[in-house]
Amino acid sequence: EAGVAQSPRYKIIEKRQSVAFWCNPISGHATLYWYQQILGQGPKLLIQFQNNGVVDDSQLPKDRFSAERLKGVDSTLKIQPAKLEDSAVYLCASSLSGGYGAFFGQGTRLTVV
Amino acid sequence: GENVEQHPSTLSVQEGDSAVIKCTYSDSASNYFPWYKQELGKGPQLIIDIRSNVGEKKDQRIAVTLNKTAKHFSLHITETQPEDSAVYFCAATDGQNFVFGPGTRLSVLP
Repeated sequence: EAGVAQSPRYKIIEKRQSVAFWCNPISGHATLYWYQQILGQGPKLLIQFQNNGVVDDSQLPKDRFSAERLKGVDSTLKIQPAKLEDSAVYLCASSLSGGYGAFFGQGTRLTVV
Repeated sequence: GENVEQHPSTLSVQEGDSAVIKCTYSDSASNYFPWYKQELGKGPQLIIDIRSNVGEKKDQRIAVTLNKTAKHFSLHITETQPEDSAVYFCAATDGQNFVFGPGTRLSVLP
């Protein structure tokens, strides 16, 4: 079974630029999560989708972050404009539904300079 | 919302000894408690989980216990090996709010 795919693996941008991350979840998984993980901390949930609907986006900085899940499968997370404090690893995860274990991709390491 | 605390933040054990990591949660609605292992440069990997209707679950050298009354759960690793060295995260969810603890860095010394 293929795992969660994320791209790119690494990205370096200047502050105020925009960036987008892509995620392809495990086939058949209805729930998709985006997490932000700052070095030395636990993952922080940014947004949770159930199919193509948003379940929780309470910690998503909506003035600069946006996310969508196309046709309930792939998802993209965008940051515009980026700030220095956005430097982190962005993790995508998927699960059968909200009450099951989430499986993570390898993440995208974003560096904002 | 849910808040998950985790202790200790770092843990060093000798190879072959046991390691215990403890977590507490705040939301009594949480009913699913997974544990993740994260190695450098990789995403978290699910290693074991427990649901609120179960008090203990074991998988080879790893076990998890849950005390719903006290709202705490623990990860137990026996006969530790160098490859167990990693950061471990606990998490709690009610199905709609998946919250992680801050992590425990486990070092297994040969």
